[in-house]
Order: sequence, then C-alpha cells, then structure tokens
Amino acid sequence: SYELTQPPSVSVSPGQSASITCSGDKLGDKYACWYQQKPGQSPVLVMYLDTKRPSGIPERFSGSKSGNTATLTISGTQAMDEADYYCQAWDSSTASFVFGTGTRVSVL
Amino acid sequence: EVQLVESGGGLVQPGGSLRLSCAASGFTFSAYSMNWVRQAPGKGLEWISYISSGGSVMYYADSVKGRFTISRDNAKNSLYLEMNGLRAEDTAVYYCARDLMVGPTDYFDYWGQGTLVTVSS
Repeated sequence: SYELTQPPSVSVSPGQSASITCSGDKLGDKYACWYQQKPGQSPVLVMYLDTKRPSGIPERFSGSKSGNTATLTISGTQAMDEADYYCQAWDSSTASFVFGTGTRVSVL
Repeated sequence: EVQLVESGGGLVQPGGSLRLSCAASGFTFSAYSMNWVRQAPGKGLEWISYISSGGSVMYYADSVKGRFTISRDNAKNSLYLEMNGLRAEDTAVYYCARDLMVGPTDYFDYWGQGTLVTVSS
C-alpha cells in the first residue's frame, strides 16, 4: 500500500519558521494537500495542489514540493499554530486517499 | 454555511454492526462526492471510503473492504456508513468530509465534528 512519511514532531520558537516534510514514492507525480488539526477539533485544510492556500488561511502558511517530498512551511510561527499536521495524496494505483503519518508542531 | 453533522456512533460489541449517518446542509449535496475518514484514539487520520456525487462509484480502504458499505441519499442530503463485523481496531472517531475535485486531484474542504464508535465487550 502507498505510504506518506512525516517526521513525528517539529519544535519551533515563536516567530521562527517551521517546515514539515511529507515523503512518498512518486509523490512528485501526485498532488499533496495539508490539514491542520488542533486538539479536540476536526481537521482543517491549509494547503492544496501542493502550493495553493485556501481562503481564510493566513499567508504565513506556504507549500512547496521538490522531487518526491512535499513541504509545508509556517513562517513567523504563532502559538495558535501549535497542532498536528497531516499531508494527503490520492494514489490512483490503489484508488485510495492516503494520509501522512502526521507531525505535531510544538511552539516553545 | 456548509454543515456536516455525523450521528449514530456508540458502544458496540465485537462482531456487531452500526450505521453512521452524516447530515449535510448549506450546499448542493448531490453535486459533491463524499468521504468517511476515521481517527483512532491518539492516532492519525485514516481515509476509509469515498462515494461519487451520484453514488455510482465507491472506493474503500483495504482495512474495511468487505465489512463496511458507503451509501448516500441525495434526496435526504445524507451520507451513510454501514459497518458490519466490527473489531476492536475499528474504535475511532468517524468523520464525514466533503470532497472537492480541483483539476487532477481531490481534497477534503469541509469536515463534520465526528462521531465516536467504540468496539468493546
């Protein structure tokens, strides 16, 4: 089955940048999106089509992709950005959506 | 305002059955594909099923294939998940999520608040 791998945790100081990676076989041929999930809440889409930010998502969130690794970057991280982040892609070979393993971002 | 409200969760014994519902409002339900996603306690997100807008195309994760059935009633603006042969590892919060196709791919732009399913004797 298709897998997307993320680092379990990322720590960042307030005002600094945090980068979360998502790696998967042939991810370069697919599109990634990203969700933010705060404790006790439902996921919220923060990035789609690798680099597109939905309306209402702050400009400090940006996305990029190089080869088979997609990256979500939070610039000028704020305490409110502390959450779990998941990447997601569609795997046509198995006709399934796949979520990454998830990354907990801690703002220390 | 788009709203998705899940219901039907609860405590069920191993091997039992349960039917989840998701009531949609604030958008033209029949125009959108829908998904079910679950999250076991303290774990990550797991996609489990997709249904096309008209209900003719369905996909399932291997973990639930043959046990779970997704369906929808566009006249009632409702999405369903029939779960049979439940196992302890099916214990999770179950979310319904609206599917938005943009170009060559899909993403989930709205999520419900989730309903908890606990499988235990």
